[in-house]
Amino acid sequence: GDSVTQMEGPVTLSEEAFLTINCTYTATGYPSLFWYVQYPGEGLQLLLKATKADDKGSNKGFEATYRKETTSFHLEKGSVQVSDSAVYFCALSGGANSKLTFGKGITLSVRP
Amino acid sequence: DAMVIQNPRYQVTQFGKPVTLSCSQTLNHNVMYWYQQKSSQAPKLLFHYYDKDFNNEADTPDNFQSRRPNTSFCFLDIRSPGLGDAAMYLCATSRGGLTDTQYFGPGTRLTVL
Repeated sequence: GDSVTQMEGPVTLSEEAFLTINCTYTATGYPSLFWYVQYPGEGLQLLLKATKADDKGSNKGFEATYRKETTSFHLEKGSVQVSDSAVYFCALSGGANSKLTFGKGITLSVRP
Repeated sequence: DAMVIQNPRYQVTQFGKPVTLSCSQTLNHNVMYWYQQKSSQAPKLLFHYYDKDFNNEADTPDNFQSRRPNTSFCFLDIRSPGLGDAAMYLCATSRGGLTDTQYFGPGTRLTVL
């Protein structure tokens, strides 16, 4: 079945540091890939998405490229801010079924 | 702005006392989902409606029910809440294609006393 694997957390960075959060997936067919962000006490917000191989999703300085050859969708940001502190979920849909399959999520803390 | 709205944001109930959580959407999406999210975990799908068709996940307890009276509204009913049902409940919507984006509401935090 479909699965999403995220790197283990939590991650703590200083403001303006470079961020990479790794995500790899296993799926049949041609899934869409997503990054969702969840701020404390809130629901999930779509951060970015990519629907086919080599697509790059971007939003708010975050980027991720759909790499079919490595089955990866790593999230990057060149300079993190304190306001980026949140939980980040990598997810896919459209693999073996129509469900949204989540990774375990990773907590990012950015200190001033 | 088109959006997914959940009410209330915080709900406190007593052990065994039925509770209903509400979700509405202005996106005119075909599919509405209910997820349960416990602390430090990913959301877990409970069930979803594709239009009027109800789709229950195999491991969703019978204690959880749902209603969708029209396109815009969907309700989650917990018939006899237990302490283990304390969680964040998230509603989401999508147009319904296999790879379509799901849009989430802000969630309802349920506390069971």
